[in-house]
Amino acid sequence: GENVEQHPSTLSVQEGDSAVIKCTYSDSASNYFPWYKQELGKRPQLIIDIRSNVGEKKDQRIAVTLNKTAKHFSLHITETQPEDSAVYFCAPKPAGANNLFFGTGTRLTVIP
Amino acid sequence: DVKVTQSSRYLVKRTGEKVFLECVQDMDHENMFWYRQDPGLGLRLIYFSYDVKMKEKGDIPEGYSVSREKKERFSLILESASTNQTSMYLCASSLWGTGMGSYEQYFGPGTRLTVT
Repeated sequence: GENVEQHPSTLSVQEGDSAVIKCTYSDSASNYFPWYKQELGKRPQLIIDIRSNVGEKKDQRIAVTLNKTAKHFSLHITETQPEDSAVYFCAPKPAGANNLFFGTGTRLTVIP
Repeated sequence: DVKVTQSSRYLVKRTGEKVFLECVQDMDHENMFWYRQDPGLGLRLIYFSYDVKMKEKGDIPEGYSVSREKKERFSLILESASTNQTSMYLCASSLWGTGMGSYEQYFGPGTRLTVT
């Protein structure tokens, strides 16, 4: 299987500041790196993902960066807004697997 | 629009009862998954299925079984419910394949199960 660690477990930022969440994984053959967002009382939803042949991907205020050598990838949120408050999960996928390995989550709170 | 539905949002059962949680998806996805979610522990995979009548154990299969008789339906069974199975249960589905976006998992709304 895959060992996944997410840091930090909780993060509070002022509205407008940036937030960064890091995910480390153990399987060097992993080839797919998504981030899911779960708002309070809602189901998790994919917000951004990246493949192993790409180092960075951006979608408006969110971005994901991948360091395959160091086996970690990060979620970056710029100009944070209160609606960014949620729990974020990374979920890397080893090559050949059809299941994802979810991290334990990071609770982000954006203070207005 | 992908729809994944679960049979109940809230369920209260007694210790020792047999419990069935049902999940249905309408997008012809090959893969289906059952997770349990507990505070501080994230999403832990119980079982998954990549085809009808096929199943694979996840990280925490003890005390659970599954059934997939039809492609669109995946059931989680607690043979004899115990208090430590009180949790939020989430079902998800995804396509099989290697195309861009095909690994995305679509989740149901969850079933909060309380075993007393």
